[in-house]
Amino acid sequence: GAVVSQHPSWVICKSGTSVKIECRSLDFQATTMFWYRQFPKQSLMLMATSNEGSKATYEQGVEKDKFLINHASLTLSTLTVTSAHPEDSSFYICSARGQGEETQYFGPGTRLLVL
Amino acid sequence: AQSVTQPDIHITVSEGASLELRCNYSYGATPYLFWYVQSPGQGLQLLLKYFSGDTLVQGIKGFEAEFKRSQSSFNLRKPSVHWSDAAEYFCAVATYSSASKIIFGSGTRLSIRP
Repeated sequence: GAVVSQHPSWVICKSGTSVKIECRSLDFQATTMFWYRQFPKQSLMLMATSNEGSKATYEQGVEKDKFLINHASLTLSTLTVTSAHPEDSSFYICSARGQGEETQYFGPGTRLLVL
Repeated sequence: AQSVTQPDIHITVSEGASLELRCNYSYGATPYLFWYVQSPGQGLQLLLKYFSGDTLVQGIKGFEAEFKRSQSSFNLRKPSVHWSDAAEYFCAVATYSSASKIIFGSGTRLSIRP
């Protein structure tokens, strides 16, 4: 149980285009989802927290107009990187947590390369 | 502010040897503590967690961790490592304010010597 998927697993795009990453909880209802960014050989940095049906809460320094997060249902959250640039290239990981749960379950990650 | 410190960036142990990965946290109240493992290019898998009760916690893959409040530590142990244990290990602490965020340590990379 508690499986989280991400799609796509990797994506290459041209600079200036937008990329959407999906995060799905497959066997539970995720009232809260989290988006992280991980640079090579570094730890995970929380970008934003989203609750189903509400606007996401962004961490300090994260541009909310650049990283659009939608959590429209209890099983799906999306992260859209708008007007991507090479510095946005990174490993993006989502996690999900159910109602009343303390544990976050992580997706397998999406590697983004912006050329 | 809450923080997690993993003092060892990289550890190499021989296959079959015992392992201990160190983790220290800073948090005002009783923390919720986690250990996650990440294989190269993969997401994170939960090894074990501590919320309350018995301070020695058993996890998957033969791992265990002990919560020591007096030392603000939550070290991860395994009596005999296998080559498949080579990965990055992250200690994390949860803050149970309304934000309920997990704060990760910087990670320890484990290599296994044949």
